[in-house]
Amino acid sequence: QSVLTQSPSASGTPGQRVTISCSGSSSNIGSNTVNWYQQLPRTAPKVLIYSNSQRPSGVPDRFSGSKSGTSASLAISGLQSEDEADYYCASWDDSLDGVVFGGGTKLTVL
Amino acid sequence: QITLKESGPTLVKPTQTLTLTCSFSGFSLNTRGMGVAWIRQPPGKALEWLTVIYWNDDKRYRPSLKSRLTIARDTSENQVVLKMTNMDPVDTGTYYCALPGDLWSGHLDHWGQGTLVTVSS
Repeated sequence: QSVLTQSPSASGTPGQRVTISCSGSSSNIGSNTVNWYQQLPRTAPKVLIYSNSQRPSGVPDRFSGSKSGTSASLAISGLQSEDEADYYCASWDDSLDGVVFGGGTKLTVL
Repeated sequence: QITLKESGPTLVKPTQTLTLTCSFSGFSLNTRGMGVAWIRQPPGKALEWLTVIYWNDDKRYRPSLKSRLTIARDTSENQVVLKMTNMDPVDTGTYYCALPGDLWSGHLDHWGQGTLVTVSS
């Protein structure tokens, strides 16, 4: 059971906008930044969004992140077939004194 | 260019100690602010953070595994070693090392390719 809560699955058709949510608490998201990772099948995770809303170079601006209180969201606009992957949120947890991940959301592009 | 690569046994027997090495290039653990973290992923399951070590030898461990984990750095060899004692089949999974992008943060900037460890007799 993960400390951060994500819906197990999400789906959309090409071109659509999809939002993936991540819910935490005051000891993690409420007091620390949120990061998002994309894991394509059989590959290592890759950082998609860091510090709530920052995109590393090379990540398309179709991907955006936001945070409010103890929740965060990842939005993907202009959905493409190559976006089909698992998405994880992560944050530092002050109580556990370590990184906590969400359970992951499997995104299917219909 | 920053790279990380995990190495170690692919098969471990129950009760044995797992030793994994993360060999990295493109940064130094002698540099203030730098660190290396370990994360694992059981087959078909979510990512689990295990531990992190920083340039000043400050370390943190996953509370539920703290008694079984040891992380150490070899700055001269650009390596970080993870030891996990008393291995159990539930510890089967892919183990990744990663470079944190910030101190005390869930931002893991660069990841190794991962190494699959199977625990079985």
